[in-house]
Amino acid sequence: DVKVTQSSRYLVKRTGEKVFLECVQDMDHENMFWYRQDPGLGLRLIYFSYDVKMKEKGDIPEGYSVSREKKERFSLILESASTNQTSMYLCASSLPGQGGSFTFATFGSGTRLTVV
Amino acid sequence: KNEVEQSPQNLTAQEGEFITINCSYSVGISALHWLQQHPGGGIVSLFMLSSGKKKHGRLIATINIQEKHSSLHITASHPRDSAVYICAVRVRQGGAYNFNKFYFGSGTKLNVKP
Repeated sequence: DVKVTQSSRYLVKRTGEKVFLECVQDMDHENMFWYRQDPGLGLRLIYFSYDVKMKEKGDIPEGYSVSREKKERFSLILESASTNQTSMYLCASSLPGQGGSFTFATFGSGTRLTVV
Repeated sequence: KNEVEQSPQNLTAQEGEFITINCSYSVGISALHWLQQHPGGGIVSLFMLSSGKKKHGRLIATINIQEKHSSLHITASHPRDSAVYICAVRVRQGGAYNFNKFYFGSGTKLNVKP
């Protein structure tokens, strides 16, 4: 069964910590995405990557960075976690050329991050 | 103001009821998606619409491009339909990489009671 796996289901971190959220896909997809989901705001795109070592800012990249050293792995990094980064983080991947169309995207189950 | 507005935010129904979730948007779109998110968090695509109506099992999705409105209907609802339903609109974005930009509704949380 093909899937997108996020390394942690729940995380609690302290303000100022450096946080790594890991996402691995086994579908050989070129495109990978990181979203955050907050009540009342819906999903918002943080970063996406369309190839190894390539990245593009989404709608809310401030306070985040990403790393894609291998095709199957896309990491989201919070350089210095803050309480306003408490959220559900969702990773997704899709085929090349789909441009992120959800019909062809596969999502992970999410990481609920709490920053205290 | 959000580009995509969904209503209602929360919906409780009895098993067997007919359910309607509404989505209105304010931007020009190339397509509209209805997504389902179960309590486990993963999101799956139910429909992609650019015009008219689509049906899949007990689910029906319609879109009116002129009125910028879409509805998701569930006939004969069942407890396993309990989930968050999300409307997402796709806006084509130019550039060297033809990445589609999406705007998302905040979701409708549906609870179907047996």
